[in-house]
Amino acid sequence: ETGVTQSPTHLIKTRGQQVTLRCSSQSGHNTVSWYQQALGQGPQFIFQYYREEENGRGNFPPRFSGLQFPNYSSELNVNALELDDSALYLCASSSPWDEQFFGPGTRLTVL
Amino acid sequence: AQSVTQPDIHITVSEGASLELRCNYSYGATPYLFWYVQSPGQGLQLLLKYFSGDTLVQGIKGFEAEFKRSQSSFNLRKPSVHWSDAAEYFCAVARASGGSYIPTFGRGTSLIVHP
Repeated sequence: ETGVTQSPTHLIKTRGQQVTLRCSSQSGHNTVSWYQQALGQGPQFIFQYYREEENGRGNFPPRFSGLQFPNYSSELNVNALELDDSALYLCASSSPWDEQFFGPGTRLTVL
Repeated sequence: AQSVTQPDIHITVSEGASLELRCNYSYGATPYLFWYVQSPGQGLQLLLKYFSGDTLVQGIKGFEAEFKRSQSSFNLRKPSVHWSDAAEYFCAVARASGGSYIPTFGRGTSLIVHP
């Protein structure tokens, strides 16, 4: 059974650029959630997708957007990057009403 | 709105000593509560969860947690800590949403284990 994978592992961007982060769900999972974890903080919920539809959204601006594909993999897109977007971005997949399994994360640095 | 407070940013214990990590939550309904562990460079791993029933919950790696509604607490315990337990620990309270749970995490407690 393959776990949750994320790509890339690390990424460096400059302010104003756009970035796309990718997540492959664990086999059999149809729900994907994205989190932002700033240094020294707990993860903050960005949004969740269930069967390709957004199922909930945290307190993040519209420049944070996402997609879920028919194979339940997912993308997180961030436009107009700001310095404060530097963080570890975590993806988690799950089955309905079950625990979330987290990927190792993508470390984004915005210069 | 739900929230979680982990009052201890760092905890230092000696190997073999007992451990208790504190967690207080705020939530208007019956809470779904979780403890996760994060090792450096890793994602989060679920240690245990509480949804209902017995207020003492057993988890993996010898951890347990006790739900106390009157104190709005869900403290994590381990009777004897191993050096490999050194990591960041996160408590979370979740709300149900459309077939899944959406957690709110605390800021975490960093566990340091001395030999």
